[in-house]
Amino acid sequence: GQNIDQPTEMTATEGAIVQINCTYQTSGFNGLFWYQQHAGEAPTFLSYNVLDGLEEKGRFSSFLSRSKGYSYLLLKELQMKDSASYLCAVADSNYQLIWGAGTKLIIKP
Amino acid sequence: ETGVTQTPRHLVMGMTNKKSLKCEQHLGHNAMYWYKQSAKKPLELMFVYNFKEQTENNSVPSRFSPECPNSSHLFLHLHTLQPEDSALYLCASSQGPGSQASPLHFGNGTRLTVT
Repeated sequence: GQNIDQPTEMTATEGAIVQINCTYQTSGFNGLFWYQQHAGEAPTFLSYNVLDGLEEKGRFSSFLSRSKGYSYLLLKELQMKDSASYLCAVADSNYQLIWGAGTKLIIKP
Repeated sequence: ETGVTQTPRHLVMGMTNKKSLKCEQHLGHNAMYWYKQSAKKPLELMFVYNFKEQTENNSVPSRFSPECPNSSHLFLHLHTLQPEDSALYLCASSQGPGSQASPLHFGNGTRLTVT
């Protein structure tokens, strides 16, 4: 079966760095997405990786290793507003999105 | 107004009621989706419409009935729901299924409670 694994919850300190991991087993691969979802709000697109390596976008970076079925989202200089759930999703061979259950990130002052 | 708009934001209904959820997108996208989001579970894809044609129905019970009159509007008609149907229902749009770098744009969702 197809599966996405990510930690249920993580806690980090304001100003620090946190890495949220995502591992996947899917039928084919057509890219990996990260979304951010604040409580009671819509998920919003953060990043898309289809080739191996690191993509940097401001304080957020996303890494992909297709051979390992692994990605991470790196958040630097954490701010209180980064408290949210982070969703990992993989597009399989049919471009169907397979979703993880999300990682709730709690930022403490 | 921009983005994806869903109404209502909150809905409480009895098991014998009939109600409808509405979604509208102002992004010029060709595909629209209904997702169900339950606590601590992955997003569940319910229906996909591409150019107004339904291309996906993920074994959703018939008490959920989608309607897509045009590529900007999507409805989800609800009737005789069960308490386990209580969840956040998210609408999304994208350029189209099969487009690799085509992220989904979500609405804020309808929080549905079935009593």
